[in-house]
Amino acid sequence: SQTIHQWPATLVQPVGSPLSLECTVEGTSNPNLYWYRQAAGRGLQLLFYSVGIGQISSEVPQNLSASRPQDRQFILSSKKLLLSDSGFYLCAWTPGGFGGYTFGSGTRLTVV
Amino acid sequence: AQSVTQLDSQVPVFEEAPVELRCNYSSSVSVYLFWYVQYPNQGLQLLLKYLSGSTLVKGINGFEAEFNKSQTSFHLRKPSVHISDTAEYFCAVSERNQAGTALIFGKGTTLSVSS
Repeated sequence: SQTIHQWPATLVQPVGSPLSLECTVEGTSNPNLYWYRQAAGRGLQLLFYSVGIGQISSEVPQNLSASRPQDRQFILSSKKLLLSDSGFYLCAWTPGGFGGYTFGSGTRLTVV
Repeated sequence: AQSVTQLDSQVPVFEEAPVELRCNYSSSVSVYLFWYVQYPNQGLQLLLKYLSGSTLVKGINGFEAEFNKSQTSFHLRKPSVHISDTAEYFCAVSERNQAGTALIFGKGTTLSVSS
């Protein structure tokens, strides 16, 4: 069966520090991968999505970037964190059809 | 462009009462519709989805939703709620026949069930 792993679960980082969040999917190949951010009262905001290795689409210009170095690995990064980067980050995958997305358990990022 | 509006940010109800969480969408093309539930500090879990066919969709945990194309709505209902249904609920939409495009979510509705 397919599973999605996301880590770390929680992270406290100082302003100006770098960030790397990792998401991996097991049990499938060539998944579509997504990064969402959830801020209080703002629902889920799509940040990036990828339909294949090296293919990244950015939905919101910001302080973050994404990479997909392997088929089932999706990384969210920042060179210098801002206070406004705080939030709950969720990774999701879909096999490319329309059966619905499967989400990871999320990373709670607090920038201090 | 698509958009989703969840008409109520918070819905308080008593245990065993019925509940309806309202969702309206806007899109220039045909869509697929979803409802997700999120418990505190967890990821999102799919409750139900409408892809095609019957407009009344049944999901997990006794929830159901009805797709109404003329009113561009996809309201979520449960005839009798439990304390354990307390969570945040998200309605989402994606364009039909556009593989790879992402889900667009509403801002969520917090359902609070009390005894």
